[in-house]
Amino acid sequence: DVKVTQSSRYLVKRTGEKVFLECVQDMDHENMFWYRQDPGLGLRLIYFSYDVKMKEKGDIPEGYSVSREKKERFSLILESASTNQTSMYLCASSLVRGNTEAFFGQGTRLTVV
Amino acid sequence: GENVEQHPSTLSVQEGDSAVIKCTYSDSASNYFPWYKQELGKRPQLIIDIRSNVGEKKDQRIAVTLNKTAKHFSLHITETQPEDSAVYFCAARDSSASKIIFGSGTRLSIRP
Repeated sequence: DVKVTQSSRYLVKRTGEKVFLECVQDMDHENMFWYRQDPGLGLRLIYFSYDVKMKEKGDIPEGYSVSREKKERFSLILESASTNQTSMYLCASSLVRGNTEAFFGQGTRLTVV
Repeated sequence: GENVEQHPSTLSVQEGDSAVIKCTYSDSASNYFPWYKQELGKRPQLIIDIRSNVGEKKDQRIAVTLNKTAKHFSLHITETQPEDSAVYFCAARDSSASKIIFGSGTRLSIRP
């Protein structure tokens, strides 16, 4: 059974804190993605990675960075959390070729106070 | 880059009726168009997808159509049931074959 696991289901952080969201997949997928989900705005791509140590900006990268030191792990970093980063964050992974279905993690609901 | 627009944002249909959700995309080189269903409190899951070399695909009560010339694709759900109530997202994979861009979602409600 395929699995994408995010380290936390709920997080509450203070403004200005550095926040790490972790995602691990066990399917040997090349691609990994971080999306942000807000009501009425759908799933907006923050960053994605197509290989170890490779990353590309998505549509809303400002205020975020990412790290992919190992193929199975993709981390999203909020350098200095702000209240407008309160949201649901979803990690996903997929193959590059063949069955390219994206599999999602369970989501992390981050609240910045 | 790719841009995906989805309509309507909310849709309410009588149980047993059909529901149609429409999406347009901007990158003519996009070649893969999945649809995801997200039930309340759960993660999005793929329900059907279509590739650019196919015009229509069906899976039981669900069908997707693709018009490459007009750059739009649609999800059709027939004989709707209460369990079809969810948020549906369309998506397009851009020409780099890596990035997947989603629409803004449609909240479908099935009235008993």
